[in-house]
Amino acid sequence: QQQLQESGPGLVKPSETLSLTCTVSGGSISSSSYYWAWIRQPPGKGLEWIGSIFYDGHSYYKPSLESRVTISVDTSNNQFSLKWRSMTAADTAVYYCARLLVDWDVDAFDVWGRGTPVTVSS
Amino acid sequence: QSALTQPRSVSGSPGQSVTISCTGARNDLGHYNYVSWYQQHPGKAPRLMIYAVTQRPSGVPDRFSGSKSGNTASLTISGLQAEDEADYYCCSYAGSFIYVFGTGTKVTVL
Repeated sequence: QQQLQESGPGLVKPSETLSLTCTVSGGSISSSSYYWAWIRQPPGKGLEWIGSIFYDGHSYYKPSLESRVTISVDTSNNQFSLKWRSMTAADTAVYYCARLLVDWDVDAFDVWGRGTPVTVSS
Repeated sequence: QSALTQPRSVSGSPGQSVTISCTGARNDLGHYNYVSWYQQHPGKAPRLMIYAVTQRPSGVPDRFSGSKSGNTASLTISGLQAEDEADYYCCSYAGSFIYVFGTGTKVTVL
């Protein structure tokens, strides 16, 4: 069973860029059955899909976030990453990475990391 | 893309059934049968409970069931148990490789 683990800074200053990495273990990231996604959850609020990436580098984003976000993949290290520019206090959230299973007509986030809390504060 | 609409909370006694609705639009939930449901206990990552509207992953109890009619999907928990108390989120494919989550529903077991 694949496992996902987020890593990155827990504290970011306003206007800075957040960089998070998700390491995939227990299987290759280079599978045609999966996309790899970032999802966030502000304190006390709901889940928000940020974007997804395929192992070949094709990426897709929530339209309202697209100007500030970049998701990339590193197949040699079995990792994918999130960069979020110009962070503000409103971006304080728990950030999850997740596996999006698109094969066999599933199309759902079936494996999740534990989440990493990120606080934006000076 | 706006969030799918869910009731803020639902409650039931042990053994009862509760149903959570999830309302979207014609171009997301109403157009695709890629609706999934997630359970989230406090401080934990979400867990996939239902995919493709009605399908249960291995390990999910059969008291969880899903359905869809028009622009509204539903999750029903039959025979409510104490461990079912959690937040539940729906999610739908919205076309062009975009996904949208629901606003979330807190299920309370009385």
